[in-house]
Amino acid sequence: AQKITQTQPGMFVQEKEAVTLDCTYDTSDPSYGLFWYKQPSSGEMIFLIYQGSYDQQNATEGRYSLNFQKARKSANLVISASQLGDSAMYFCAMRGRDTDKLIFGTGTRLQVFP
Amino acid sequence: EAGVAQSPRYKIIEKRQSVAFWCNPISGHATLYWYQQILGQGPKLLIQFQNNGVVDDSQLPKDRFSAERLKGVDSTLKIQPAKLEDSAVYLCASSLIRGTGTDYEQYFGPGTRLTVT
Repeated sequence: AQKITQTQPGMFVQEKEAVTLDCTYDTSDPSYGLFWYKQPSSGEMIFLIYQGSYDQQNATEGRYSLNFQKARKSANLVISASQLGDSAMYFCAMRGRDTDKLIFGTGTRLQVFP
Repeated sequence: EAGVAQSPRYKIIEKRQSVAFWCNPISGHATLYWYQQILGQGPKLLIQFQNNGVVDDSQLPKDRFSAERLKGVDSTLKIQPAKLEDSAVYLCASSLIRGTGTDYEQYFGPGTRLTVT
């Protein structure tokens, strides 16, 4: 069975600083995808970044980067130069090889202060 | 490009009543998903459609929940009768086609927040 674990219920970061949100996963699939979504108070899930299990390089999307350590089964999200608008819930999710169902973690609430 | 539309945004009902949610996916998206997000948890897939056929409904409580996508476009999710534990946000998502990788990204709607009293 697939499982996502996010151990940080809440994180605080000062504006313009970098922050790392932790995510570990468990799967027996040899091929899988890892995702990070942002959920602001408005409720919709906004896709941030994707990492494939066979990708050799860590994914980057603007201020977002994914620190992928396959042997440790971790896929941490790094947000550089935090902005006040980054305050939201952040969810790590995974998808196995033979399914497009997303399995989500419990999320981390990030609060950015001036 | 218009995003995934959902209505209503909020709904309050009493237990044992029925309720229906509507979702209109992004134009051209063949795959549609309904997720349930209970407070403090991540979303959990309830049902997945490919066009108008069901791909996965293994976590749908079929004694009270039903969903349809008759013409392969918009979809309705119904709960009858509702229980207190059904209080949650119901998220609809769509993707162009099935599969893995970023080509098959799921796009989410704003959700419907259901409160059962």
